[in-house]
Amino acid sequence: QSALTQPASVSGSPGQSIAISCTGTSSDVGAYNYVSWYQQQPGKAPKLMIYDVSNRPSGVSDRFSGSKSGNTASLTISGLQAEDEADYYCSSYTSSATRVFGTGTKVTVL
Amino acid sequence: QVQLVESGGGVVQPGRPLRLSCAASGFTFNTFGMHWVRQAPGKGLEWMAVISHDGSDKYYADSVKGRFTISRDNSRNTLYLQTNSLRAEDTAVYYCAKDWTARPEIEHWGQGTLVTVSS
Repeated sequence: QSALTQPASVSGSPGQSIAISCTGTSSDVGAYNYVSWYQQQPGKAPKLMIYDVSNRPSGVSDRFSGSKSGNTASLTISGLQAEDEADYYCSSYTSSATRVFGTGTKVTVL
Repeated sequence: QVQLVESGGGVVQPGRPLRLSCAASGFTFNTFGMHWVRQAPGKGLEWMAVISHDGSDKYYADSVKGRFTISRDNSRNTLYLQTNSLRAEDTAVYYCAKDWTARPEIEHWGQGTLVTVSS
């Protein structure tokens, strides 16, 4: 049950697009389309941003999008805004019926 | 409106047990799988356990298997986590979370309760 691998940090200027990768294995990310992404602001609970690899819950900006290729999923934030500065975590369902989170990525808006 | 309110956290001595509770409201509790996830200070999220809607299936992370037990009381709309043999490395904010509809993905989160293991 190793954590999914994410870059520790990603940064971008306002208006730019950034992408965060999430690499797992053929037993989790590669096996199911149950990859989700969460945004966590300091001192707050995580918030669901993407589910089923690429779907957005109601109320989440369409600047957030998700995709997957093989064992790697990605979250893209377009038109980066100051309010997007936060920690982001991916998560996947696994072949053991457990869940696994990514190592987390700190997004900084320059 | 979905609400998940954790309680039972605090300072506990190493080796002692602690039971966490999560009171759920705003949805039909007995139709959703529920999770416990924790976050050590300054660290990332760690998934710990899930229980099916009726309590018949339970799965655990290797790090807590055999020490922690997830359970639920659907008549009280409450989720529990019994923690035993606590260690300093179990110090964390413990979140209760709800599955997304018909999907094994977490949708809603509580605000968390802090457990500090210290002598």
